[in-house]
Amino acid sequence: AQSVTQLGSHVSVSEGALVLLRCNYSSSVPPYLFWYVQYPNQGLQLLLKYTSAATLVKGINGFEAEFKKSETSFHLTKPSAHMSDAAEYFCAVSAENNNDMRFGAGTRLTVKP
Amino acid sequence: ETGVTQTPRHLVMGMTNKKSLKCEQHLGHNAMYWYKQSAKKPLELMFVYNFKEQTENNSVPSRFSPECPNSSHLFLHLHTLQPEDSALYLCASSHGGVAGSYNEQFFGPGTRLTVL
Repeated sequence: AQSVTQLGSHVSVSEGALVLLRCNYSSSVPPYLFWYVQYPNQGLQLLLKYTSAATLVKGINGFEAEFKKSETSFHLTKPSAHMSDAAEYFCAVSAENNNDMRFGAGTRLTVKP
Repeated sequence: ETGVTQTPRHLVMGMTNKKSLKCEQHLGHNAMYWYKQSAKKPLELMFVYNFKEQTENNSVPSRFSPECPNSSHLFLHLHTLQPEDSALYLCASSHGGVAGSYNEQFFGPGTRLTVL
């Protein structure tokens, strides 16, 4: 069985500050890991994905995440927050040949001016 | 039209009404999903269809009835809903279960459902 845990349901940063959203996963097989972003009244949009190639994954809007097997983590970072980054962020895990994608509970990011 | 589309975007219905949500994907995928997203609750997977066959039903009440006539279209038929069913209903699609696939899911914008 696979699962993800997102630490912190709400994160608040100042504009220009580092963004760090935490995700830990549990998987009995090599995982595929994803970060999605959801803006108000919209669906989920893929930010980036880890598919067993490079452990440091770069995504859209300046976000990146690093797969650390030893820590079972896939934290999302951005060096400098922008007001437009305010949204809900979801970490998710799946496995090859498997329709089952498990989502975390989400982290709401607030960016203060 | 590209990606995953959902209609209607907003729906208000009474508890005795019957309505349907529609989802269409233009990505050539073979798996489609319905999710329920309620305030302050994790995303809940409701149904999964793979090559038009229902492969998962996560103990969803029978007042929700899915239909997948082909790999591009997915419906969610609603009848005698309860106020607690008010939520954002999201549709997604993916390559699904194909060797080497990453199962990356592409989401539609959702239907905001309010049950009075």
